[in-house]
Amino acid sequence: DIVMTQSPDSLAVSLGERATINCKSSQSVLYSSNNKYYLAWYQQKPGQPPKLLIYWASTRESGVPDRFSGSGSGTDFTLTISSLQAEDVAVYYCQQYYSSPLTFGGGTKVGIK
Amino acid sequence: EVQLLESGGGLVQPGGSLRLSCAASGFTFAGYAMNWVRQAPGKGLEWVSGISGSGGNTYYADSVKGRFTISRDNSKNTLFLQMNSLRADDTAVYYCAKDWAYNAHYWYFDLWGRGTLVTVSS
Repeated sequence: DIVMTQSPDSLAVSLGERATINCKSSQSVLYSSNNKYYLAWYQQKPGQPPKLLIYWASTRESGVPDRFSGSGSGTDFTLTISSLQAEDVAVYYCQQYYSSPLTFGGGTKVGIK
Repeated sequence: EVQLLESGGGLVQPGGSLRLSCAASGFTFAGYAMNWVRQAPGKGLEWVSGISGSGGNTYYADSVKGRFTISRDNSKNTLFLQMNSLRADDTAVYYCAKDWAYNAHYWYFDLWGRGTLVTVSS
């Protein structure tokens, strides 16, 4: 199974500042035939189901604000919130869909400093 | 409105069974792979099972293989999860989740239900 490791477990950022969340896969999630990373990011607010933010490591889902961006290569990926807003308080998860079983990172809780 | 609505959760004794349902609306259900993802209280997300749009292919996490069965009824736009031999560590909110891609399996999820709570306890 591919293990997804997120860091940090939690972080607190001032409003308007940048938040950076890391995700590392235990093996490559790059599919060589299409040169795509099989990596997604979700946001989960308290009491709500997860919401898809990013797929293919860097493609923003329709309707997601452009302050959210995904990047990475190899086995290291990053979700960046360029200017944290109050409504961004949530837990963020990465997920690999390269192989079954699908696996999620442990989550990163983002709060306001 | 595009939505997923889970039902069937509840309190069950260890070793018991439960059948979850997920009613889909607002999209062409048969064209999408569907999944169950669970979340234990205060914990992270765990993928449980997936099924292709036709229902011909099914996939399971090792933790539930042989105990859970995923199925779908495309005529009724409904996804199911039959859970047998339930254990305390199966206690979780169970979400159904729709694959992003139409007539393809990409296995990331753009639509989630609100979940149904399954509690396994004596």
